[in-house]
Amino acid sequence: RKEVEQDPGPFNVPEGATVAFNCTYSNSASQSFFWYRQDCRKEPKLLMSVYSSGNEDGRFTAQLNRASQYISLLIRDSKLSDSATYLCGPAGKLIFGQGTTLQVKP
Amino acid sequence: ETGVTQTPRHLVMGMTNKKSLKCEQHLGHNAMYWYKQSAKKPLELMFVYSLEERVENNSVPSRFSPECPNSSHLFLHLHTLQPEDSALYLCASSQGTGYEQYFGPGTRLTVT
Repeated sequence: RKEVEQDPGPFNVPEGATVAFNCTYSNSASQSFFWYRQDCRKEPKLLMSVYSSGNEDGRFTAQLNRASQYISLLIRDSKLSDSATYLCGPAGKLIFGQGTTLQVKP
Repeated sequence: ETGVTQTPRHLVMGMTNKKSLKCEQHLGHNAMYWYKQSAKKPLELMFVYSLEERVENNSVPSRFSPECPNSSHLFLHLHTLQPEDSALYLCASSQGTGYEQYFGPGTRLTVT
């Protein structure tokens, strides 16, 4: 099993929809995580840090489920500009999932 | 945004060439990284430097040689590359190895 796994998608949703995707991890010692956003042919940029059970920033909510070893990212009222690939990774491990691609359609 | 810069942005090289990629961070960070990103694959960590010392080398072929002369600069020296080395090479920096990373724009490398 890979240490970090993500459903590559793509997730195709209409504008205004709520979408969620998960990132599963195998190392139960991981305590905190990062979500990054990567636009096509651009570098990853930090979206959110998750140091406890979860974090919320505007339309974005990340939740950490330690029992089931996954971290989720929820995007509410999705915008066209949210279209990107979302990468997750445990802090301190320097590894990432392959990313989940989100396409928001008008 | 100019926190982490990389040059060149694009590079085409033959298999017998020698070239170097440069990364510079202006964030006062202590750790710097090289990653390789190929199409449809996760980011692959290549090298980690913390306080200018290499702390991790993920079994990278010797045709890739990193250099970290100070905490702000990181180089990746390339020689005798293979076509499968064509990829986006990303540099990143962070306050320390457990902190969030800031990425440069990458060098898109094509080996012919």
